[in-house]
Amino acid sequence: SQQGEEDPQALSIQEGENATMNCSYKTSINNLQWYRQNSGRGLVHLILIRSNEREKHSGRLRVTLDTSKKSSSLLITASRAADTASYFCATDRGQNFVFGPGTRLSVLP
Amino acid sequence: KAGVTQTPRYLIKTRGQQVTLSCSPISGHRSVSWYQQTPGQGLQFLFEYFSETQRNKGNFPGRFSGRQFSNSRSEMNVSTLELGDSALYLCASRGMGTAPPNYGYTFGSGTRLTVV
Repeated sequence: SQQGEEDPQALSIQEGENATMNCSYKTSINNLQWYRQNSGRGLVHLILIRSNEREKHSGRLRVTLDTSKKSSSLLITASRAADTASYFCATDRGQNFVFGPGTRLSVLP
Repeated sequence: KAGVTQTPRYLIKTRGQQVTLSCSPISGHRSVSWYQQTPGQGLQFLFEYFSETQRNKGNFPGRFSGRQFSNSRSEMNVSTLELGDSALYLCASRGMGTAPPNYGYTFGSGTRLTVV
């Protein structure tokens, strides 16, 4: 079974708008990561947040983590057409990473 | 620094055949993991190899196997192919650091397997 569940499954926004994706998980984690996948390609690591951190920034990305609610959110600000991709959260269970089903983001020009 | 290389990129096989996929990790990475990605099941963990030993295994039948060589290159084999094995197979190597860029997966571009 999958550890993480992203929400929403699909999201369509206009260029310049912000996109927010959420991830919920079930058990305790060491850290949580976000990955991006362009259609039919491998996943690219975006950002990692540790279990003792609450917020992290990287360029236009902002990630939050609420361990009490077992949830994380990924915010992409000022979105661009090139941000169109699927986004996955992954939780570190110690020996392997468990990925959620992903959010498909479409940024319309 | 070269990325993770997977070969071949595309493969078409017939039911009942077997297939071998190859993955060359980032130089210095000794951990190689394999994932199967399908539209219905998402990313499913197959197995992880570290220093030529299978360290962790997902919930897949014995038809799925793998190995790792002394240079950390890994191969994955699927025997007696079924239509449901059609998927994107992703390989990821992982550094042993505790912080990026030596932590977290670096994925290859995948092998798209189609079973007909």
